[in-house]
Amino acid sequence: GAVVSQHPSWVICKSGTSVKIECRSLDFQATTMFWYRQFPKQSLMLMATSNEGSKATYEQGVEKDKFLINHASLTLSTLTVTSAHPEDSSFYICSARFSDTQYFGPGTRLTVL
Amino acid sequence: AQSVAQPEDQVNVAEGNPLTVKCTYSVSGNPYLFWYVQYPNRGLQFLLKYITGDNLVKGSYGFEAEFNKSQTSFHLKKPSALVSDSALYFCAVRVKNAGNNRKLIWGLGTSLAVNP
Repeated sequence: GAVVSQHPSWVICKSGTSVKIECRSLDFQATTMFWYRQFPKQSLMLMATSNEGSKATYEQGVEKDKFLINHASLTLSTLTVTSAHPEDSSFYICSARFSDTQYFGPGTRLTVL
Repeated sequence: AQSVAQPEDQVNVAEGNPLTVKCTYSVSGNPYLFWYVQYPNRGLQFLLKYITGDNLVKGSYGFEAEFNKSQTSFHLKKPSALVSDSALYFCAVRVKNAGNNRKLIWGLGTSLAVNP
């Protein structure tokens, strides 16, 4: 139980384009989902907390107009990286909370050329 | 300030030997503590958590962790390491931010290498 999926697992895009990443809780409903960014050999950096039906709460220093988060249902949250640039290249991981525990998706490797 | 520390960047252990990955924390109130494991280019897998009750918590893949309130520690242990345990291990503690939302604060991770 408590399985979280992410799609796509990897994406390569041109600079200036937008990329959407989906995060789904497959066998439970998640009122709260989280989006993280991880750089090589580093810990996770929380970008935002996504609550179903309301606006996401962004961490300090994260641009909400660049990283658009939508949590329209109890099983789906999306992260859209708008006007992506090479410095946005990273490993993006989502998680969903179930019974006091966060369960993580497999991650999405974004490469911006 | 609330924080989590994993004092060792890397831990090396021989297969079959016991392993310990250390974690200490600094939070106000009663901590909710977690351990996760990450394999290369993958998301994190939940291993175990401490919320309340018995200080010794047993989790997935034979791992366990001991909550020590006086030492503010939550070290991860396994009696007999396997080569397949080689991965990156993260300790985390749950806190509430200014908006009263619950989130995890993460340690920097410890790379475990189990040698055959």
